[in-house]
Amino acid sequence: DTGVSQDPRHKITKRGQNVTFRCDPISEHNRLYWYRQTLGQGPEFLTYFQNEAQLEKSRLLSDRFSAERPKGSFSTLEIQRTEQGDSAMYLCASSLSGYTGYTFGSGTRLTVV
Amino acid sequence: TQLLEQSPQFLSIQEGENLTVYCNSSSVFSSLQWYRQEPGEGPVLLVTVVTGGEVKKLKRLTFQFGDARKDSSLHITAAQPGDTGLYLCAGPLNRDDKIIFGKGTRLHILP
Repeated sequence: DTGVSQDPRHKITKRGQNVTFRCDPISEHNRLYWYRQTLGQGPEFLTYFQNEAQLEKSRLLSDRFSAERPKGSFSTLEIQRTEQGDSAMYLCASSLSGYTGYTFGSGTRLTVV
Repeated sequence: TQLLEQSPQFLSIQEGENLTVYCNSSSVFSSLQWYRQEPGEGPVLLVTVVTGGEVKKLKRLTFQFGDARKDSSLHITAAQPGDTGLYLCAGPLNRDDKIIFGKGTRLHILP
């Protein structure tokens, strides 16, 4: 297993466009997490899944954000009508439930111009 | 409100020196973790501490969990340029909950 993979690594988009990011977790891990990190800050929790069920969403996750994890494998995070404030590093992590050590991907750097 | 406060925010020291960075909270955590993050990459887990008062060593890095499980420290002995990075503490408020992060300590070791 090569760890957690995120695609793309970088995305530049115009304000108002929609973007979608993909995360492939470690195959044995049943939990998948999305975090957002801006410059000078620690990662902020967005949402997480256990298998295909979305168990929690942060208040940071506005209606323009949606995440899915069909069949409990890979996950997608979509941002509709992007705004400049959405510019950040979007991090995906996976773990086994009951174990709090996460394996993170390398992230997707989003720049909204 | 930041649940996990990390200090200092920035630290720049000479190679070979020792240093300690701190992670503090007014809340009790079921466990705390330390991660290191390099620019453009995701955080990498260094250690998890679970029991109050626990001390774990990872080569030149020593991690301690406070007795009351509200704070933790990371001590580096004889720092090397390869230790440069952002050190993040994180933990779940409740067992099996998602983890929340502090803002991190940005460490720069000068050769």
